[in-house]
Amino acid sequence: GESVGLHLPTLSVQEGDNSIINCAYSNSASDYFIWYKQESGKGPQFIIDIRSNMDKRQGQRVTVLLNKTVKHLSLQIAATQPGDSAVYFCAAHGSGNTGKLIFGQGTTLQVKP
Amino acid sequence: KAGVTQTPRYLIKTRGQQVTLSCSPISGHRSVSWYQQTPGQGLQFLFEYFSETQRNKGNFPGRFSGRQFSNSRSEMNVSTLELGDSALYLCASRTGQKQETQYFGPGTRLLVL
Repeated sequence: GESVGLHLPTLSVQEGDNSIINCAYSNSASDYFIWYKQESGKGPQFIIDIRSNMDKRQGQRVTVLLNKTVKHLSLQIAATQPGDSAVYFCAAHGSGNTGKLIFGQGTTLQVKP
Repeated sequence: KAGVTQTPRYLIKTRGQQVTLSCSPISGHRSVSWYQQTPGQGLQFLFEYFSETQRNKGNFPGRFSGRQFSNSRSEMNVSTLELGDSALYLCASRTGQKQETQYFGPGTRLLVL
């Protein structure tokens, strides 16, 4: 079946460094991808998204890269801050108009002061 | 614009009981999706409702059901609760267009004893 996997369950970085969180998906028909951030006791919060007709998208301090050839995407956070500490999920959206997202297991980002 | 709201935020039930959770989407959003989040299985899609009709369904037993009202508010029901139903239940809303971000509520934490 469809799956989305993250390469590292935990990532520890120094404040001010850049962070890179990776994700792999299995369904080549997936055409839309979203990165979410989840803090303790809260629901997932939207960070950035990317459609399959793009290979890069930038937001404020965040960049998502999509490589459809190897079915891989990554989230880059520039100048990581303590407030970035959270669990990060990538989610893949199947083709067609569906609300079904397939989530990865999540990467816990720990920012050391 | 107010975000997605969910009630109640916390619930404690015993095995065999049933429970109803409520979700109010962002104003103007007609699609509501429900997810179950557990430490072992992560975030898993339950179902999606759009304009009062179930549009997609995940891989959960029939004890899990839902509905949507004409004002787009949605409820999900779990009957004959089992210990393994203890989880964070999240709902997410979107307008219903293709390739569109879903915005999550804070979740309802259900504990089954």
